[in-house]
Amino acid sequence: DGGITQSPKYLFRKEGQNVTLSCEQNLNHDAMYWYRQDPGQGLRLIYYSQIVNDFQKGDIAEGYSVSREKKESFPLTVTSAQKNPTAFYLCASSMGGRENTEAFFGQGTRLTVV
Amino acid sequence: GNSVTQMEGPVTLSEEAFLTINCTYTATGYPSLFWYVQYPGEGLQLLLKATKADDKGSNKGFEATYRKETTSFHLEKGSVQVSDSAVYFCALRNPSYGNNRLAFGKGNQVVVIP
Repeated sequence: DGGITQSPKYLFRKEGQNVTLSCEQNLNHDAMYWYRQDPGQGLRLIYYSQIVNDFQKGDIAEGYSVSREKKESFPLTVTSAQKNPTAFYLCASSMGGRENTEAFFGQGTRLTVV
Repeated sequence: GNSVTQMEGPVTLSEEAFLTINCTYTATGYPSLFWYVQYPGEGLQLLLKATKADDKGSNKGFEATYRKETTSFHLEKGSVQVSDSAVYFCALRNPSYGNNRLAFGKGNQVVVIP
């Protein structure tokens, strides 16, 4: 079955550590996105990539980094520079270009700083 | 830029009541409009969509009509069930104007009481 997979579902991080969240899709989508969700604030865009080897900052990119070496994969690293990383992180993918199609979401990763 | 505004606050209603969640948008041209649903601890699932003015999206008893004249895409369901309790997000995508990002509203928590 085609879909988008995030792992792990739950992640605990000590302060000062970097952690990487995985996102893989087998939908042959060009575009991929990372969102952060906090209670009462909806979804905020961290980074997005419209094609392999290219990505752009979203609205809250500070303290995060990404790579897009393969079409299927768009990992997100939460660095120690991110002051308040505890949140629910959602990865999504969609067809690129001018296609007015929907995005498909993974099941999310809940990151907690301990 | 593109933006989506949803009505403030959670929505609590009794089973079999009529549900309306308001959504208005700001965008150039003719964006595509979406409603997503999020159940507790999960990612977002597409509920319905409309890609041009006057289109009506529908799914699982939910409906929304793309109103260009009022820049709105209100979600309605005639008789809600307890299983409809979730968070609902309105979103738009406008790739024809060089912006492939999804813009989300802040979401509305819907609680259906038996």
